[in-house]
Amino acid sequence: SQQGEEDPQALSIQEGENATMNCSYKTSINNLQWYRQNSGRGLVHLILIRSNEREKHSGRLRVTLDTSKKSSSLLITASRAADTASYFCATPRRGNNRLAFGKGNQVVVIP
Amino acid sequence: GAVVSQHPSWVICKSGTSVKIECRSLDFQATTMFWYRQFPKQSLMLMATSNEGSKATYEQGVEKDKFLINHASLTLSTLTVTSAHPEDSSFYICSAPSHGGSSYEQYFGPGTRLTVT
Repeated sequence: SQQGEEDPQALSIQEGENATMNCSYKTSINNLQWYRQNSGRGLVHLILIRSNEREKHSGRLRVTLDTSKKSSSLLITASRAADTASYFCATPRRGNNRLAFGKGNQVVVIP
Repeated sequence: GAVVSQHPSWVICKSGTSVKIECRSLDFQATTMFWYRQFPKQSLMLMATSNEGSKATYEQGVEKDKFLINHASLTLSTLTVTSAHPEDSSFYICSAPSHGGSSYEQYFGPGTRLTVT
């Protein structure tokens, strides 16, 4: 089974709106991470939430984690055109530091 | 934040030739690096874990004789795609953990676009 498997989404929103995307995983984790990837580029780490945290904020980002449901959400508030990218959640594989990535959510913010 | 570079950023090669991709940690030491490949509009697939001073660990289904990994120093890992074929055309990305081998965030290189003709 694949960890960090978010619901496949392709969001197209207007600038200023909020964007929400979800992620679900299969096994127990000690943290969950969100990354952004601009087209044709590497990934940029956005935020890490630990298993004992329920919510975390970083600037316009808000991440929630529900370990009972094995799910996480990423909210981008007041979106900007520069937020246009693919967003991936990732979870560490048990027993090592390799990350398993979800399928990704493509977000397009229309100016 | 820490910086990871890759070289080249893109490469076109003929079928049957070999291509080497470099991954460097510029301002930190990385005893471990990871190599991923990504097909268009898909997620990252981990290919192998590169370990400084020892053999790489390959994921299931990845041919170690085709994708040669060398991690000769604490700041450099190389991936060589041997006898490349068109199906090897992909986006190859490397990363390094931020805290040695722990499960913290990873720093990613900008990727290398390989096209095999």
